[in-house]
Amino acid sequence: DAGVTQSPTHLIKTRGQQVTLRCSPKSGHDTVSWYQQALGQGPQFIFQYYEEEERQRGNFPDRFSGHQFPNYSSELNVNALLLGDSALYLCASSLGGDFYEQYFGPGTRLTVT
Amino acid sequence: AQKVTQAQTEISVVEKEDVTLDCVYETRDTTYYLFWYKQPPSGELVFLIRRNSFDEQNEISGRYSWNFQKSTSSFNFTITASQVVDSAVYFCALIYLSGGSYIPTFGRGTSLIVHP
Repeated sequence: DAGVTQSPTHLIKTRGQQVTLRCSPKSGHDTVSWYQQALGQGPQFIFQYYEEEERQRGNFPDRFSGHQFPNYSSELNVNALLLGDSALYLCASSLGGDFYEQYFGPGTRLTVT
Repeated sequence: AQKVTQAQTEISVVEKEDVTLDCVYETRDTTYYLFWYKQPPSGELVFLIRRNSFDEQNEISGRYSWNFQKSTSSFNFTITASQVVDSAVYFCALIYLSGGSYIPTFGRGTSLIVHP
């Protein structure tokens, strides 16, 4: 039973660039949520995708956008990267658009220089 | 404001000691959910427990136990007879209803170090 997978594992970008992170949910799950975790902090909720639509959104600017595909996989896009966007980006999958039982992926470590 | 406070930044114990991780939350909602997650060095958060606001029953699962008290807005986590493998960062999280949507918010985490 495949768990949540994320790619790439690590990424280094320059300020002002754009980045795309990818997530495949756990088998049988249809909901994907994205979180940003800065060093030494707890995860912060970015948004959730269910039925190919953004359903819930945390307090993040429009530079952060996403997409969900018919196979339930998802992408997180960040435009105009800032140094403060350096963080571990976690993807979590669940069922039916809720947060009751989320399974997290190993994350993508993004460094902005 | 909705908030989760984990006042203990780091706890260091020796194996076989009992340890309690504190979690205090703030919310105006009557319906909410509380969670505990474990984050080992690999980075992947592992779900440990979920409680809804109407279920104050304490729970025990092996060496783990949770004490939910609405009167003090606390949801504390105790590990009995700690082991080296328990070393990780533990997060308490609150999911509350905001404008018709459920929003998760995490505490800053408590780093637990268990020495052999």
